[in-house]
Amino acid sequence: GQQVMQIPQYQHVQEGEDFTTYCNSSTTLSNIQWYKQRPGGHPVFLIQLVKSGEVKKQKRLTFQFGEAKKNSSLHITATQTTDVGTYFCAGTLGGTSYGKLTFGQGTILTVHP
Amino acid sequence: DGGITQSPKYLFRKEGQNVTLSCEQNLNHDAMYWYRQDPGQGLRLIYYSQIVNDFQKGDIAEGYSVSREKKESFPLTVTSAQKNPTAFYLCASRQDVVAFFGQGTRLTVV
Repeated sequence: GQQVMQIPQYQHVQEGEDFTTYCNSSTTLSNIQWYKQRPGGHPVFLIQLVKSGEVKKQKRLTFQFGEAKKNSSLHITATQTTDVGTYFCAGTLGGTSYGKLTFGQGTILTVHP
Repeated sequence: DGGITQSPKYLFRKEGQNVTLSCEQNLNHDAMYWYRQDPGQGLRLIYYSQIVNDFQKGDIAEGYSVSREKKESFPLTVTSAQKNPTAFYLCASRQDVVAFFGQGTRLTVV
């Protein structure tokens, strides 16, 4: 079945350092989404990428979707303590926009002040 | 106040008992999902439903059952056949892009 792999599993950074998490799918995706889960909380939607090679920015966060629509990355510039949490990518297969939504294992980000 | 409600937040059961986790949404979303979260393993899909009276198995459906009799409700039953039921269970609903999650139910089987 479809697999979505995410690395690294853990990342510890000093405040102000950059952070990147990578997502790879075994199959071509219709779209890729990114979610953030704060400690003790539930996942919250950040962004969706749909087009091959798409790049989107949200303040210090930059999201990319690969040309083959099989990989994606999330880059945070100059991390802050508020960035702490688990970042998940999630991919949708098939033609529908609300079909099977498969999550990666997540990257747990710790930011040391 | 729109959203997804999961209840209860914490649930304890004895081994061998079936238990049903509630998930209700008033967002009028067609699709609903159940995920299981274990430390270091991310979110694993148990079951999902794209429309009332229809649902599909996810990646780890064994030992679980669901129903979708109403658009608003997607209860999950953890049966005694599930070998390691202790986990954090998250329900989500979705229409088009964004999946909205409930607060989760932490199930402990002793």
